Amino acid sequence: NAGVTQTPKFQVLKTGQSMTLQCAQDMNHEYMSWYRQDPGMGLRLIHYSVGAGITDQGEVPNGYNVSRSTTEDFPLRLLSAAPSQTSVYFCASSYGFYGRAKDEQFFGPGTRLTVL
Amino acid sequence: DQQVKQNSPSLSVQEGRISILNCDYTNSMFDYFLWYKKYPAEGPTFLISISSIKDKNEDGRFTVFLNKSAKHLSLHIVPSQPGDSAVYFCAASAIRDDKIIFGKGTRLHILP
Repeated sequence: NAGVTQTPKFQVLKTGQSMTLQCAQDMNHEYMSWYRQDPGMGLRLIHYSVGAGITDQGEVPNGYNVSRSTTEDFPLRLLSAAPSQTSVYFCASSYGFYGRAKDEQFFGPGTRLTVL
Repeated sequence: DQQVKQNSPSLSVQEGRISILNCDYTNSMFDYFLWYKKYPAEGPTFLISISSIKDKNEDGRFTVFLNKSAKHLSLHIVPSQPGDSAVYFCAASAIRDDKIIFGKGTRLHILP
């Protein structure tokens, strides 16, 4: 199993550009989520999904869109990049949202995004 | 409003001694707590968890203690090893909520 994969590893954007961060998992996990990590701010939840076709907002959803058309993929879209979106982005997945299964998440290696 | 607080940004501990990382939470609905470990340029990895029906959970060198009345949990690492140098995140969730909330993390340095 490849686990959770993220592409690209690094990206530089100009203000106003759009892009999609890719996330895929091959563990047949129902629950997937996106976090951003900023210095001194820890991991903050952007969006999450409890299954294909179902998404919801986390703590800091503004400026980001997600969709979940398949169990495997959960892309994160930046509609109009801003310098405040400079961060490291992590995708995570877990077995499911029933009971405690959603909590023990497997994380991808991250995408480091810089917006100029 | 920070629901999960890790008030120590960093901690230095001598190799072989005990490392104690602390975490406080404010939401009384939280009933499951986790610790994740993160090395530079890697994603976090799950370390250990505890349900609110317990006050202690052990896994090898790692023990998590939960004090519900104080809304406080701690992670003990005994003995500390050089490979334990990393950032440790405390996280919490509630059974009726699909969101998992993380703290800001504590950077642990194990000194030789």
